[in-house]
Amino acid sequence: DVKVTQSSRYLVKRTGEKVFLECVQDMDHENMFWYRQDPGLGLRLIYFSYDVKMKEKGDIPEGYSVSREKKERFSLILESASTNQTSMYLCASSPGVTGGIGYTFGSGTRLTVV
Amino acid sequence: GQNIDQPTEMTATEGAIVQINCTYQTSGFNGLFWYQQHAGEAPTFLSYNVLDGLEEKGRFSSFLSRSKGYSYLLLKELQMKDSASYLCVGNNAGNMLTFGGGTRLMVKP
Repeated sequence: DVKVTQSSRYLVKRTGEKVFLECVQDMDHENMFWYRQDPGLGLRLIYFSYDVKMKEKGDIPEGYSVSREKKERFSLILESASTNQTSMYLCASSPGVTGGIGYTFGSGTRLTVV
Repeated sequence: GQNIDQPTEMTATEGAIVQINCTYQTSGFNGLFWYQQHAGEAPTFLSYNVLDGLEEKGRFSSFLSRSKGYSYLLLKELQMKDSASYLCVGNNAGNMLTFGGGTRLMVKP
């Protein structure tokens, strides 16, 4: 069974901390994505990557950075966590050109910044 | 990009039929998806429409009208396990997704 695995389901961090959210996929997908999901706002794209060491800004990249050193792993970094970054974070992957049909999501990480 | 609108909440009765509507404004439209998301879980793929018309898959059907910028998801013979959020998702040029806010469906006995 193909999977996208996010390292933590729940995280509580303090304001100002550097936070790492990890995502690993085992489907050899080229594309990986980080979204945040907030009530009433839907999923909003933070960053995505088409290939190793490549990254592109999504709709709301401010306050975040990413790293893709290996094809299967895509990390989201909150450089200095703030309370407005409290949210559900979802990682997804997809094959190179088939777009949404092949999207697979991780189970999400619910981050609380206090 | 796209703008996706769908109702925030709906309630229906077990065994009934419910239709969840979605309207979109788009540039570079490349198809429309419906995803199901149970509370605390990942969204899972339900359907994909790129041409006008109805796609049926068991108890679930999805309809698309590109000229009207309109889609709906139809759920028949509702079951309690169908209580979830249903996400209307536009596929833009470049195969990037734009998500609606989701419709939270509550199925009552």
